[in-house]
Order: sequence, then structure tokens, then C-alpha cells
Amino acid sequence: EPEVTQTPSHQVTQMGQEVILRCVPISNHLYFYWYRQILGQKVEFLVSFYNNEISEKSEIFDDQFSVERPDGSNFTLKIRSTKLEDSAMYFCASSERGPSTDTQYFGPGTRLTVL
Amino acid sequence: QQQVKQSPQSLIVQKGGISIINCAYENTAFDYFPWYQQFPGKGPALLIAIRPDVSEKKEGRFTISFNKSAKQFSLHIMDSQPGDSATYFCAATPGNTPLVFGKGTRLSVIA
Repeated sequence: EPEVTQTPSHQVTQMGQEVILRCVPISNHLYFYWYRQILGQKVEFLVSFYNNEISEKSEIFDDQFSVERPDGSNFTLKIRSTKLEDSAMYFCASSERGPSTDTQYFGPGTRLTVL
Repeated sequence: QQQVKQSPQSLIVQKGGISIINCAYENTAFDYFPWYQQFPGKGPALLIAIRPDVSEKKEGRFTISFNKSAKQFSLHIMDSQPGDSATYFCAATPGNTPLVFGKGTRLSVIA
């Protein structure tokens, strides 16, 4: 069964450093998402991406965040200057159609630890 | 308006019992209500979903009950098993926009 994959599984970085989280969505999917989950809390939407541009973003997704689909398979989340409060699990998700018309499949997540 | 309120925060159920998790919402534009199951160290996985044109949807041991007038929906897990022990999230979306998640319920099924 096709699945969303994410790398790395765990990333440790120093405050102020840049990190890039990588995702490979399911191959025929057109909608891509990033969510984050601070330990023990709910899953929060960050950004959605369709047709090579951001379709929606939350208040959390400020100027330090960016997303990119550098090739036909990868979807990346970049955090330019990490802060302690960016420590969380980051989940990539994809769906074949829009968020209310199709299932979003989540990857296993990347645990980001900012020291 | 965009919140989905989920309860209880945690739940302990005997094996074979019924697990019930409830969610409530305010935004009447929500039109898709999925439930996700998450095991430790894994991403959320879709369990079952419902739209407001039906009041109930059943898939195996999992049932969603939906009350449009009360703006509430719930997940029932019949014959709960230890393998069902996980965190369950309700979610909603008002159309072609991203999911809004509840805070999650940690379910423990004990033998």
C-alpha cells in the first residue's frame, strides 16, 4: 500500500539554526500538507500546498517557515531560524483531492528537538 | 468558531466494553468529520469519517453517530480490544480547507 514517507525521523538542532524536513507524498496525490503536534497536544495545521503554491496557511506558519516542492516527488518544510518552541512532531500529509473530499494520509512524522 | 472540542481527555475501558468519545463544534459550515487513530511514534491514520447528510456510519466495530442539530458527533468502539489502545482525534473541515483537530483522547483498553 502506498504511504507517505518522512525524513529524518528525528532531528536535533541548536536554536537559531535552519532545518529542512523532507516528505515524499503518495505519488498520485495533488494536495500536500504540513501539520505539527507539540508533545501531548493536538495536531495543528501549518500549511497546505496545491499546484505548486501555498493554498492556505495558519497563523503558526510565519515568515520563518517555507515550503517547497523541489522536484516531482519531494515536499519540504524549511524553518529558517529555529526557536525552542518549534520543538514538536511535524507531520506531512497528502490527499488525492481536496481536504474535505478525500482522505488525508499522514506520514510517520519527524521529531524536531531544538536545544 | 474553528474549534472542535473533544472529551474525555483520557478513557479506560475493560476489554469487550464500549468506548465512547465525543466531539462538539460551533462552525455550521463544517461538512466533513473524520476520526483519526494514532499509535505512539506514528502519524494519525484515518479510522472512519462521516458527512452531515447521515446520522450514523458503521465500519466493523467502529461507529460514528452524528447529531447535526446539537452540533455533536461521537465515536463508538464496540467490543474494545487492547489493540485499540491509542490516541483518537476527531477533526472537521468546512469545505476545501484543512482539518481542524480536537485535542485527542487517550484510550486504554485493559484486560
